[in-house]
Amino acid sequence: AQKITQTQPGMFVQEKEAVTLDCTYDTSDQSYGLFWYKQPSSGEMIFLIYQGSYDEQNATEGRYSLNFQKARKSANLVISASQLGDSAMYFCAMSALYGGATNKLIFGTGTLLAVQP
Amino acid sequence: EADIYQTPRYLVIGTGKKITLECSQTMGHDKMYWYQQDPGMELHLIHYSYGVNSTEKGDLSSESTVSRIRTEHFPLTLESARPSHTSQYLCASSETPVQGWGDTQYFGPGTRLTVL
Repeated sequence: AQKITQTQPGMFVQEKEAVTLDCTYDTSDQSYGLFWYKQPSSGEMIFLIYQGSYDEQNATEGRYSLNFQKARKSANLVISASQLGDSAMYFCAMSALYGGATNKLIFGTGTLLAVQP
Repeated sequence: EADIYQTPRYLVIGTGKKITLECSQTMGHDKMYWYQQDPGMELHLIHYSYGVNSTEKGDLSSESTVSRIRTEHFPLTLESARPSHTSQYLCASSETPVQGWGDTQYFGPGTRLTVL
């Protein structure tokens, strides 16, 4: 069975500072993908970044980077230069990969990030 | 990025009514999903489809049903709504990669359902 754990229910960060959101996972699958989504108060889920279990380099997308430590089974999201618009709920998710394709996503409980001016 | 639409965005309805939540995507994605999310909580998969005429139940038991008659359309139906169905329902789609690894699920804006 797969499981995602996000141990930080809420976090504060000052505008323009970097912040790390923690995510650990548990799976017996050899091939899997890890995802981060952002959910503003309006409710939509916005895809941020993806990391495949076989990717040797950490994924980066603009101000977002994923600190992937396979041996520790962690996939932390790093947001650099926080902006007020980054205030939202952030969900870590994973999916087993079958034939290279993702399956259903398993989500963590989320971390509510508040960016302070 | 996928264009995926959900209607209605908000729905308040009485107990016992039949409702259908619409989900459509214009990217030709073969896979579609329905997730249920209570306020401030994680998402749980309730239905998914890997193609036309293919539907499966997800991890969270749900009294809703789905159909996939067309690639772009994946409606969810509740035959008799109850207060316990009050939640947000999010639709997503993705495309099986031709090569490489991993496909990203893109979400619609969600439907917030309240059953009185």
